Amino acid sequence: EVQLVESGGGLVQPGGSLRLSCAASGFIFSDHYMNWVRQAPGKGLEWVSRITIKVQSYTTEYAASVKGRFTISRDDSKNSVSLQMNSLKTEDTAVYYCAREGSAIDVWGQGTMVTVAS
Amino acid sequence: DIQMTQSPSTLSASVGDRVTITCRASQNIDIWLAWYQQKPGKAPKPLIYRASSLQSGVSSRFSGSGSGTEFTLTISSLQPDDFATYYCQQYKSYSMFGQGTKVEIK
Repeated sequence: EVQLVESGGGLVQPGGSLRLSCAASGFIFSDHYMNWVRQAPGKGLEWVSRITIKVQSYTTEYAASVKGRFTISRDDSKNSVSLQMNSLKTEDTAVYYCAREGSAIDVWGQGTMVTVAS
Repeated sequence: DIQMTQSPSTLSASVGDRVTITCRASQNIDIWLAWYQQKPGKAPKPLIYRASSLQSGVSSRFSGSGSGTEFTLTISSLQPDDFATYYCQQYKSYSMFGQGTKVEIK
């Protein structure tokens, strides 16, 4: 079964850091771009970041709202992708989804909640 | 950045209705457009990719069309399970989602 499982969410103070992880199973992880997408409470979907595959030099892309604060990375040997989030702001509060890109985004994790509050 | 605009924001319809949602891109995205369905508290469900290709396992009552800057998602005969929020997404340059269209019961 193709599966993505996020972890690492929680409560953090403004200015703090948090690292999200996503464990993939059931498919050839190294063949797929991976994304993070978030959804603030009661709001729509917001694309956050993407990382390509080895043959494309693991190129990374970021939404303007997180560029310079968030870093996406992957470990193909562990079938995992991570999102390091620094300098967190209250507006970063959201459910963060890990998402596989095949035919567009074709697999989503269940999401992990990140709350930035004092 | 390529901006995506969906219309309408909310749509009231009845079971059996034909429903159409529009998504406009601020610049040409060819056919790099996807559609998703989301229900409260759940992850989005992929419906359509490359503007008109149905994801595996998705009902044929869903269809997508368009290219360039204007796209549509059509539900041919609305079923009770289809009441949800629908999002378009461009993935030609970086990525961006539309603001969503909530399909509610009339």
